Amino acid sequence: GNSVTQMEGPVTLSEEAFLTINCTYTATGYPSLFWYVQYPGEGLQLLLKATKADDKGSNKGFEATYRKETTSFHLEKGSVQVSDSAVYFCALSDLGATGNQFYFGTGTSLTVIP
Amino acid sequence: EPEVTQTPSHQVTQMGQEVILRCVPISNHLYFYWYRQILGQKVEFLVSFYNNEISEKSEIFDDQFSVERPDGSNFTLKIRSTKLEDSAMYFCASRRGIGYNEQFFGPGTRLTVL
Repeated sequence: GNSVTQMEGPVTLSEEAFLTINCTYTATGYPSLFWYVQYPGEGLQLLLKATKADDKGSNKGFEATYRKETTSFHLEKGSVQVSDSAVYFCALSDLGATGNQFYFGTGTSLTVIP
Repeated sequence: EPEVTQTPSHQVTQMGQEVILRCVPISNHLYFYWYRQILGQKVEFLVSFYNNEISEKSEIFDDQFSVERPDGSNFTLKIRSTKLEDSAMYFCASRRGIGYNEQFFGPGTRLTVL
């Protein structure tokens, strides 16, 4: 079946540090991969996505590359800011599946300290 | 920018009571979803809805749950007789249509069952 395994948190970094949040997946079809971010008191917002192998999604300095050979979609940012403090969710969806439901990881809480 | 809205933001209820969680999806979207997140756990799929009927549901979505789109704008989740374990954050999401795999999420309703 489909599932997502995400790095456990919480993660605490100093401003300008390098961020990696690991995400691996299992899928039966041809999934699209996503990173969503949830800021305090807000809903899930799409951060970036990739729809096929070797695609790189990027947004706001964050990047993730869809690696089919390692079934991974790790999130990276070269220099984090205090405003990046949030919970990050890795997710997959399989357009071939009826209803196109999303499968989420557990979420990783990131705190960036000045 | 259009967004998914949910009301209420927080609902407290007694065990055994019925609750209705409300969502207003983005107006030109065709697919609607409910997810839930028990504190500290994964975001889990509950149900997807298209063309005025359920297209897929998870094993969590038992006979105590129902969904409805009573008019052209609202999408509701009803829990007929709440249990303590129904306490969670409930997210509504909508998707534009076939070929669009991004889901847009609302801010969530926190349900507390006492």
